[in-house]
Amino acid sequence: QKEVEQDPGPLSVPEGAIVSLNCTYSNSAFQYFMWYRQYSRKGPELLMYTYSSGNKEDGRFTAQVDKSSKYISLFIRDSQPSDSATYLCAMNTGGFKTIFGAGTRLFVKA
Amino acid sequence: EPEVTQTPSHQVTQMGQEVILRCVPISNHLYFYWYRQILGQKVEFLVSFYNNEISEKSEIFDDQFSVERPDGSNFTLKIRSTKLEDSAMYFCASSTSDYGYTFGSGTRLTVV
Repeated sequence: QKEVEQDPGPLSVPEGAIVSLNCTYSNSAFQYFMWYRQYSRKGPELLMYTYSSGNKEDGRFTAQVDKSSKYISLFIRDSQPSDSATYLCAMNTGGFKTIFGAGTRLFVKA
Repeated sequence: EPEVTQTPSHQVTQMGQEVILRCVPISNHLYFYWYRQILGQKVEFLVSFYNNEISEKSEIFDDQFSVERPDGSNFTLKIRSTKLEDSAMYFCASSTSDYGYTFGSGTRLTVV
């Protein structure tokens, strides 16, 4: 079983839709959970950062962590064409090494 | 907004040659990292650097790789004898005491 699993998509939605992106993981020692956005040929950009279980909201973005199910989600409300990118989940046990998911490619159609 | 700066943006090198990838992390950050992303694959951890020494490294980071912080601002990754499979995007990142990194735009390394 892979340490972090993420559906690569692509996911195509109309402008204004609510987008749901998800990752599952197998290592119960993960405590820090991040979502990054990556545009083509650019470095990942941190969107959301959560410690342990719970929800966190920032503008149109909501991150959820369910440690009992080993499942994390990112919701994007009122999606815009500028949200079209690859979204990477990432996790860390508290050490120096962060494990990334494969990324989900999102297309938001105008 | 503070940035992590990487140079060059693209480097082409012959197999067996040495390359040095350069990074200027954000000035008040304490933790520095190199990650790489082979085309179409995951972002993979290479090495972390804290307090002027390597704090953790992956299995990928073998004797062909080394890192240095030669002065107060630069952070470099050296690959001594490049192989075809070293072709990838190499990302430098830095952070404060938390786990949310700021990444640079990357150096695309092409080994021919």
